[in-house]
Amino acid sequence: ETGVTQSPTHLIKTRGQQVTLRCSSQSGHNTVSWYQQALGQGPQFIFQYYREEENGRGNFPPRFSGLQFPNYSSELNVNALELDDSALYLCASSLLGDYNSGNTIYFGEGSWLTVV
Amino acid sequence: GDSVTQMEGPVTLSEEAFLTINCTYTATGYPSLFWYVQYPGEGLQLLLKATKADDKGSNKGFEATYRKETTSFHLEKGSVQVSDSAVYFCALATGFQKLVFGTGTRLLVSP
Repeated sequence: ETGVTQSPTHLIKTRGQQVTLRCSSQSGHNTVSWYQQALGQGPQFIFQYYREEENGRGNFPPRFSGLQFPNYSSELNVNALELDDSALYLCASSLLGDYNSGNTIYFGEGSWLTVV
Repeated sequence: GDSVTQMEGPVTLSEEAFLTINCTYTATGYPSLFWYVQYPGEGLQLLLKATKADDKGSNKGFEATYRKETTSFHLEKGSVQVSDSAVYFCALATGFQKLVFGTGTRLLVSP
């Protein structure tokens, strides 16, 4: 049990639609990162939010966007869904310095998105 | 850029066999190294980690040693169990505040 919760756990969307995924970070953590894990692949970094500001972005187009709220929870929004967006979306909760210090970065169980 | 290379799977073993999953990395600076495990239908769980050269991470019988000279972080376990069947991901973290993962290695352990 990591204390990181994601919703919904599974959803199916049609190509061209928009989706919002949600993440509640572990208590005391101020940094949320989102990763996309396609079937049979390792997770790929989408972006990170620290104190409500984007703090780094991976190689994903602008139709992937996010928000972080004052309570450090976060949303991932994907517009104009494509079939290749079908994946497991993982949220990771941490303190900003944890990536350098090697402290544990906690993952939620993910949201499975299927685009048809 | 930073990258992680893992041996391809699946790795198929009998219970009580010795396990090695190879992992090598390329990184600027001095990354922290991790092994994560993913059980079917679940998210990622941290298995072990090492933050500097020659550190050994260990947990639940699994071990990995941070080898700077060979840029490696191989995962080992002396005697695997059926319950160890999962996908194992090697990852690194750098000053860019993100994790870079390998493609994962599926382990299948039969009784």
